Amino acid sequence: QSVLTQPPSVSGAPGQRVTISCTGSASTIGAGHDVHWYRQLPGVAPKLIIYGSTNRPSGVPDRFSGSKSDTSASLAITGLQAEDEADYYCQSYDSGLRGYVFGTGTKVTVL
Amino acid sequence: EVQLLESGGDLLQPGGSLRLSCAASGFPFSDFAMTWVRQAPGKGLEWVSLITRSGGGPYYADSVKGRFTISRDNSKNTLYLQMNSLKPEDTALYYCAKGKGMLVENYCFDYWGPGTLVTVSS
Repeated sequence: QSVLTQPPSVSGAPGQRVTISCTGSASTIGAGHDVHWYRQLPGVAPKLIIYGSTNRPSGVPDRFSGSKSDTSASLAITGLQAEDEADYYCQSYDSGLRGYVFGTGTKVTVL
Repeated sequence: EVQLLESGGDLLQPGGSLRLSCAASGFPFSDFAMTWVRQAPGKGLEWVSLITRSGGGPYYADSVKGRFTISRDNSKNTLYLQMNSLKPEDTALYYCAKGKGMLVENYCFDYWGPGTLVTVSS
């Protein structure tokens, strides 16, 4: 079961900035566990785009940035491009469940 | 180049058993935790299980605890998932992924295979 809540969808025009929220709890993000973000294009495996809440793997454009505060985290995409249309998921660890949890997922649409 | 390739997916009836495999290459397999994540058709990602580099843990989602067993053979660079007492709700694309991080609580998954499809239906 998902214990990380994301908005089902966000949209923006090319060049704009969009943000995706990821709301957790005291046993997930609020416990100090890192938040990670994945992008999934249709029919393709997810790809890690932010790890450790704020870090970008090699090859991920600096248009993508992450932040974390209290029991929530956010992914920001600046300079939105058509290729950014995808599903985005946050992920963390749940101390109560003793396991990993993914967010509910957000579909980004470029208008 | 890191490569992960799952195999073993199939169509089977409820109550059946299946073993998935994930062949890894391009990195020192024994140095990293490995995990299984699944995605039901049209749905989001669901973490299934994780095993540390030495076989420690392992960790399971409540939805599969007692039915699924994760294991690894570091000599063969292969990850496994033994799935028993399968239910229709286990129908999904099963991905294996490589763990990244220093602490178990902060692991992320930096490389993923293309997935193998498991369908449970009568």
